[in-house]
Amino acid sequence: DVKVTQSSRYLVKRTGEKVFLECVQDMDHENMFWYRQDPGLGLRLIYFSYDVKMKEKGDIPEGYSVSREKKERFSLILESASTNQTSMYLCASSSPTARDTFGSGTRLTVV
Amino acid sequence: EDQVTQSPEALRLQEGESSSLNCSYTVSGLRGLFWYRQDPGKGPEFLFTLYSAGEEKEKERLKATLTKKESFLHITAPKPEDSATYLCAVQSNTNAGKSTFGDGTTLTVKP
Repeated sequence: DVKVTQSSRYLVKRTGEKVFLECVQDMDHENMFWYRQDPGLGLRLIYFSYDVKMKEKGDIPEGYSVSREKKERFSLILESASTNQTSMYLCASSSPTARDTFGSGTRLTVV
Repeated sequence: EDQVTQSPEALRLQEGESSSLNCSYTVSGLRGLFWYRQDPGKGPEFLFTLYSAGEEKEKERLKATLTKKESFLHITAPKPEDSATYLCAVQSNTNAGKSTFGDGTTLTVKP
């Protein structure tokens, strides 16, 4: 069964902390994405990557960075967490011929 | 800019009461339209891909259809386990691999 695995289901961090969210896929997909999902705002794209060491800004990149050192792994970094970054974070992967496959999500709370 | 609008925002049905969810879209050359199901606290789960107007896909009680401007997700004789949020997304030919999502329709089926 193909999978996208997010390292944590729930995470609580303090304001100002550096936060790493990890995502691993086992489908050899070229594309990987980070979204956040908030009530009433839907899914919003933060960053995406079409290849190793390549990244592009999505719709709401401010306050975030990403890293893709290996094809299967895409990390989302919150340089200095703030309370307005409390959200559900979803990772997805796809290939040019395959639709998005999502992870189970990480619910991050910043206090 | 690609846009996706889903309606209604929420839908409450009695078990067995058939209905339809709407997804209206504007895109510069449709590469594919996708339907996902999302249960609370989980990532979206893929249901269907539609590529061209007139295409239809079915899975159990769900049937997706596509025109040049919108897609419908028809739910026939729904059961309580069909309760979920249904998301629609489009990919354009100019933004290969990057999806634009609607805000979803939250379906509640009462026994």
